[in-house]
Amino acid sequence: KAGVTQTPRYLIKTRGQQVTLSCSPISGHRSVSWYQQTPGQGLQFLFEYFSETQRNKGNFPGRFSGRQFSNSRSEMNVSTLELGDSALYLCASSPGSAGGETQYFGPGTRLLVL
Amino acid sequence: AQTVTQSQPEMSVQEAETVTLSCTYDTSENNYYLFWYKQPPSRQMILVIRQEAYKQQNATENRFSVNFQKAAKSFSLKISDSQLGDTAMYFCAFMNHNAGNMLTFGGGTRLMVKP
Repeated sequence: KAGVTQTPRYLIKTRGQQVTLSCSPISGHRSVSWYQQTPGQGLQFLFEYFSETQRNKGNFPGRFSGRQFSNSRSEMNVSTLELGDSALYLCASSPGSAGGETQYFGPGTRLLVL
Repeated sequence: AQTVTQSQPEMSVQEAETVTLSCTYDTSENNYYLFWYKQPPSRQMILVIRQEAYKQQNATENRFSVNFQKAAKSFSLKISDSQLGDTAMYFCAFMNHNAGNMLTFGGGTRLMVKP
């Protein structure tokens, strides 16, 4: 099976712009989670989607949003970008039907905000 | 809320030797899962090993094994016969069974395997 894919891999934006990142899960996986990784804050959970519904949400401002499509692909959007949004954004997928499932990660999207 | 602590920011080990990475966590939950992930310079997060809290037997995966002490809330990773390819950041992570598939990560330990 193909792994989790994320596009784009690298992105440069300026403050105030918005950005959309995409994640395609492993075939058959219905749960998609997003994480932000920064040197200062480490790895932090953003949100999880399962069957097109947000199932969990981390402690991030409303500028961070996401959605999931019927084919389980997910997008996350960050509006009004700030310098502090520069990070590696990781997407992970799992089958999704139960708790405690192993998460399989994509290669990440590296976002630089200037 | 759960917290995960990795007290060793950096470690090094000689090739072919054994090294143990520490992890402690704090939770009031009884049904949960613990993971170790590896992140090499490519930044791809790779699952190393997982442990179900209800299982008393420690998980093993080839050269990787854990020492799970539930009462002490400790979950250390032992790497035997270290290889140069083991050089990476290692993250300990916690997942509550009743909270979907949300992972709470520790701060990571940077492991360098020296030839």
